[in-house]
Amino acid sequence: NAGVTQTPKFQVLKTGQSMTLQCAQDMNHNSMYWYRQDPGMGLRLIYYSASEGTTDKGEVPNGYNVSRLNKREFSLRLESAAPSQTSVYFCASSPTERGLYEQYFGPGTRLTVT
Amino acid sequence: GIQVEQSPPDLILQEGANSTLRCNFSDSVNNLQWFHQNPWGQLINLFYIPSGTKQNGRLSATTVATERYSLLYISSSQTTDSGVYFCAVYNAGGTSYGKLTFGQGTILTVHP
Repeated sequence: NAGVTQTPKFQVLKTGQSMTLQCAQDMNHNSMYWYRQDPGMGLRLIYYSASEGTTDKGEVPNGYNVSRLNKREFSLRLESAAPSQTSVYFCASSPTERGLYEQYFGPGTRLTVT
Repeated sequence: GIQVEQSPPDLILQEGANSTLRCNFSDSVNNLQWFHQNPWGQLINLFYIPSGTKQNGRLSATTVATERYSLLYISSSQTTDSGVYFCAVYNAGGTSYGKLTFGQGTILTVHP
């Protein structure tokens, strides 16, 4: 039982390049989330998926797209990376989106955009 | 949206000391979690505690939902307790369904 896994762990991009961050969970959770963490700050929600087949914007969605590929997998895509997207990205999952259960976090992806 | 404030922002302890971290929030919550972010950046779930008191080894937490605060107690601190402690809350009445709102964190440093 690996919990929430993320790939890659580290990535360096040039401005304008694109990439996809992958996230998978093996806990049979319905809801999945993408957060970003900037230096000295807590996490902010980018997008979430309450259940398979649905996605919704969070607090800071601009510049990102997401895909809920199936119940296990939720990917985050940067179409044209910008230096402002340099951050640590965390994926999380929970049984439901209604705040009745814990959210569990992956190990994070450290992204640098030059 | 809901505001989450943590105090103190920084805390330096000698090994073996006890500490209390506080989290205040501005509205009623359905979910409150405490996390420890270790020096490698990993977020570790400590407690899911929307109300009441829980204990896990040297750590315990209390949430008084009616007064909109939560406390995290660390007893007999160890160097491995160093890192950042985050409080995060979920407010069902908010505009972003499923969103955990994080505080700014308390940076804890434990010296041997």
